[in-house]
Amino acid sequence: GENVEQHPSTLSVQEGDSAVIKCTYSDSASNYFPWYKQELGKRPQLIIDIRSNVGEKKDQRIAVTLNKTAKHFSLHITETQPEDSAVYFCAASFYNQGGKLIFGQGTELSVKP
Amino acid sequence: DTAVSQTPKYLVTQMGNDKSIKCEQNLGHDTMYWYKQDSKKFLKIMFSYNNKELIINETVPNRFSPKSPDKAHLNLHINSLELGDSAVYFCASSPDRNYGYTFGSGTRLTVV
Repeated sequence: GENVEQHPSTLSVQEGDSAVIKCTYSDSASNYFPWYKQELGKRPQLIIDIRSNVGEKKDQRIAVTLNKTAKHFSLHITETQPEDSAVYFCAASFYNQGGKLIFGQGTELSVKP
Repeated sequence: DTAVSQTPKYLVTQMGNDKSIKCEQNLGHDTMYWYKQDSKKFLKIMFSYNNKELIINETVPNRFSPKSPDKAHLNLHINSLELGDSAVYFCASSPDRNYGYTFGSGTRLTVV
């Protein structure tokens, strides 16, 4: 069935440390993998995405890696800052089902000053 | 100019009432969605329209009925509201399927 598993559900780091969030997906036909950041009371916002023809993508302090064979992808945040504190969601597109995005369960990241 | 706007932002209503949420996007996107975010923050897709055509209809009670009068608008009507309908409802749009979404600001629905 269609499923995206995300771990950990909560993550606490010290300012300046790195944070890694991991996701696995079930549909081998999935070809698009975005990551969203949702601050308290706000809308989810797209922070980075990757397509299946690319193994890694970086944008300043954030990077995403994709392993198609293992069907997993990860978000890496380096030099974390208190303003990185939020809930992060991974998602995978289910191409044969209207291209809908199925979201992971979310990771609550807390960056302590 | 808000890219994806939803109204109302908050909605408090009694069980059994009927209510509507409206969504409009000015991004020129072809595809629009409704998602429900429950108290555990889980985002679950409900419906998707592509150019006014319904393309995704998840296992949602038929008390929920979406309507897309044109590709810039997607509304959600809910009949006979129940306590379990309390959640935040997000509208979103994307240029096409298999693209990232732009979310609206959400509608917090509370059924009492």
